[in-house]
Amino acid sequence: DTEVTQTPKHLVMGMTNKKSLKCEQHMGHRAMYWYKQKAKKPPELMFVYSYEKLSINESVPSRFSPECPNSSLLNLHLHALQPEDSALYLCASSQRGGRRSNQPQHFGDGTRLSIL
Amino acid sequence: GESVGLHLPTLSVQEGDNSIINCAYSNSASDYFIWYKQESGKGPQFIIDIRSNMDKRQGKRVTVLLNKTVKHLSLQIAATQPGDSAVYFCAEMDDYKLSFGAGTTVTVRA
Repeated sequence: DTEVTQTPKHLVMGMTNKKSLKCEQHMGHRAMYWYKQKAKKPPELMFVYSYEKLSINESVPSRFSPECPNSSLLNLHLHALQPEDSALYLCASSQRGGRRSNQPQHFGDGTRLSIL
Repeated sequence: GESVGLHLPTLSVQEGDNSIINCAYSNSASDYFIWYKQESGKGPQFIIDIRSNMDKRQGKRVTVLLNKTVKHLSLQIAATQPGDSAVYFCAEMDDYKLSFGAGTTVTVRA
């Protein structure tokens, strides 16, 4: 079992809905990440939080809004998504982040999101 | 065992044989590399990592080789088992960002 827990496992939402994805880790890691993975493709980085502060936004559209309430929790707020946003959204954590941190990232099992 | 000289998207292996999965990375400045295994319906699972000051690292049934001269990374799996069937991704760390390769789907034949 993964030590990074993501909820919900599946989410179906309309384009006008607002929903949130949640991620939790209790490994004491201080860096957390959101990735997007389309079918049969590798994960692509969206956001990086380091010590609860947003350090990297990979030019993600504003309809995705990340939040890090504390060192164990990471949320991704969704609003007015498009059908092409349907994907597996993965959360990961590492002991520390930042430049040249060279730490393994540990992933949750993701939330499979479908936009109608 | 089976080996793949170039990166191929799929690899079929007989149970009990050794597998070799290859990966070419793009950035000569990358100094940290990870292999992940992703099973259907799961997130990527850490297998093994290697830093650029090493050329070989061994784990339980797995070995990672790094050739910085040609920017090539490989994962060797000894005595492949049915539970090894999955998609395998190499990933390189450049500065802050972990970038994944295209992935190789490994299928183990009984």
